[in-house]
Amino acid sequence: DAGITQSPRHKVTETGTPVTLRCHQTENHRYMYWYRQDPGHGLRLIHYSYGVKDTDKGEVSDGYSVSRSKTEDFLLTLESATSSQTSVYFCAISDLGGGAAETQYFGPGTRLLVL
Amino acid sequence: QQQVKQSPQSLIVQKGGISIINCAYENTAFDYFPWYQQFPGKGPALLIAIRPDVSEKKEGRFTISFNKSAKQFSLHIMDSQPGDSATYFCAALTTSGTYKYIFGTGTRLKVLA
Repeated sequence: DAGITQSPRHKVTETGTPVTLRCHQTENHRYMYWYRQDPGHGLRLIHYSYGVKDTDKGEVSDGYSVSRSKTEDFLLTLESATSSQTSVYFCAISDLGGGAAETQYFGPGTRLLVL
Repeated sequence: QQQVKQSPQSLIVQKGGISIINCAYENTAFDYFPWYQQFPGKGPALLIAIRPDVSEKKEGRFTISFNKSAKQFSLHIMDSQPGDSATYFCAALTTSGTYKYIFGTGTRLKVLA
């Protein structure tokens, strides 16, 4: 596996509480992504980063914010968790350009339950 | 125009049979088409990928067929094995654009022993 870790791996929280998920990589890849995976929807992009302090929205960004202060860390924050944010969250990295294969490597996932 | 449509949603195949999963896209700017394999409790992992300058790519028992004019691509798993039972996702990417991967909704494959 590529050097990607996610923490926590499992979390149960209550509606209205803030939640932060962390993605840490040791590959020094430029691009980092946050996806959520739900039955029938596949993988949907929440936010992504193309460099330190450079982030952009994905297709399901409402209710989520991100930060990237270091190459290796990409944080996803649910400002006020809702039950609709119950999901499995995956972090991914890639190092595009330069003729390299555009392989995207995924972390092990974080299972979040919002009660 | 950004969607990638994947079918079928689920698939059951006998051991030794051929599994076929199809994807269709609209955005002609896509120029990289990977397939990912995901086992329960794990993150997706790249299985095989193709660029639109070729019509077919084969790696072992896995083959991607690409039809540029129809804007479709498919994954063929030859001699399917129970160990191939997993969820498969197709995806598309514009390598000169924003580097946002667009994923299909996934196909849950079960190979019967």
